[in-house]
Amino acid sequence: TQLLEQSPQFLSIQEGENLTVYCNSSSVFSSLQWYRQEPGEGPVLLVTVVTGGEVKKLKRLTFQFGDARKDSSLHITAAQPGDTGLYLCAGIYNFNKFYFGSGTKLNVKP
Amino acid sequence: DTEVTQTPKHLVMGMTNKKSLKCEQHMGHRAMYWYKQKAKKPPELMFVYSYEKLSINESVPSRFSPECPNSSLLNLHLHALQPEDSALYLCASSQEGVSYEQYFGPGTRLTVT
Repeated sequence: TQLLEQSPQFLSIQEGENLTVYCNSSSVFSSLQWYRQEPGEGPVLLVTVVTGGEVKKLKRLTFQFGDARKDSSLHITAAQPGDTGLYLCAGIYNFNKFYFGSGTKLNVKP
Repeated sequence: DTEVTQTPKHLVMGMTNKKSLKCEQHMGHRAMYWYKQKAKKPPELMFVYSYEKLSINESVPSRFSPECPNSSLLNLHLHALQPEDSALYLCASSQEGVSYEQYFGPGTRLTVT
């Protein structure tokens, strides 16, 4: 059973399109993180959100934390081939305990 | 220096072998983690060390034995593994605190034959 469900699981889009990835749980997180992972490498942290309703922007990426701190979304504007990778959300419960979402594999075609 | 290093990068071992994975960080982080990642799956938490003490063991079989010799080093000792233990083993570290931003190493690709 996956504590954190991500959708969609796979996404293949053309360069320049917009997309949104969702991360949902029935549990409340103390904070939530988004990572991107390239094949054969470790995940790289993109952002941490802590406060319910928080919105953070990182260039073309916009991250939102739900008001109830149970869900989050990642929106990418004008996707580029360099955005290709596995996007993972990770919820933090009870200090130091991380659970990763099921992952969204994004492919941006030139 | 925001790097977490892991050695070896690749490891092939038989089911009767004993081997160790090593992880090192020099960011002053006091929490260190071991994760296991199977192909096309997200990382699964195995162990957490906080201030050099084991704080979380996610019901990992005893053939995996973690060790934290000091605040910069984390080892994972492997013994009598099974082929289904083949995976990418990731080490991470973080500061203690509400954001717990983890920095991951590149992983060790383990194959058990």
